[in-house]
Amino acid sequence: SQQGEEDPQALSIQEGENATMNCSYKTSINNLQWYRQNSGRGLVHLILIRSNEREKHSGRLRVTLDTSKKSSSLLITASRAADTASYFCANVNSGGSNYKLTFGKGTLLTVNP
Amino acid sequence: DTEVTQTPKHLVMGMTNKKSLKCEQHMGHRAMYWYKQKAKKPPELMFVYSYEKLSINESVPSRFSPECPNSSLLNLHLHALQPEDSALYLCASSQGFGFGGYGYTFGSGTRLTVV
Repeated sequence: SQQGEEDPQALSIQEGENATMNCSYKTSINNLQWYRQNSGRGLVHLILIRSNEREKHSGRLRVTLDTSKKSSSLLITASRAADTASYFCANVNSGGSNYKLTFGKGTLLTVNP
Repeated sequence: DTEVTQTPKHLVMGMTNKKSLKCEQHMGHRAMYWYKQKAKKPPELMFVYSYEKLSINESVPSRFSPECPNSSLLNLHLHALQPEDSALYLCASSQGFGFGGYGYTFGSGTRLTVV
């Protein structure tokens, strides 16, 4: 299965603190993406990192990718209450002829004001 | 326009009803997707359309019937659903199809309840 596993499943922090979420996957990937989902709504694409990249930044977000360990992490710095959401990693496998974006189980982040 | 629009936002239907979910995008994206999401679970891929042709069907029951009338529209026709089909149905689109590395743009979803 391509499904990633996020760790932790839930994370509660205070505003201003950093939040780190981890994701593991099982097979070779072409790229890995992170999405945010506010309660019961659509997903928002945050950042994409390709398999030949090791680190990527976007604003307060920092994503790392370790293909040897088949893992990725998402760091949100100086968190805000508005960052409260579920965060999913999703990967595109690099095998076969079809393109599939498969989501991990997600981390529920709560940022307390 | 950088959005994917889904209608309706909420739908309640009986098990004998026929209804359709609609998805529209005007970003020129040539790949469109249907995902199903149950509460507290990740989205699960149902169908992929590439250049208006069905590319992937993830062994979805035939009571779900997708349709792509043109490059901007994606429909999901529903017939004889079961209560366990109640979920959030998400439509998404992406610029390309394949390994180019494109993020998806998601709609806000249709919350479906089957009674």
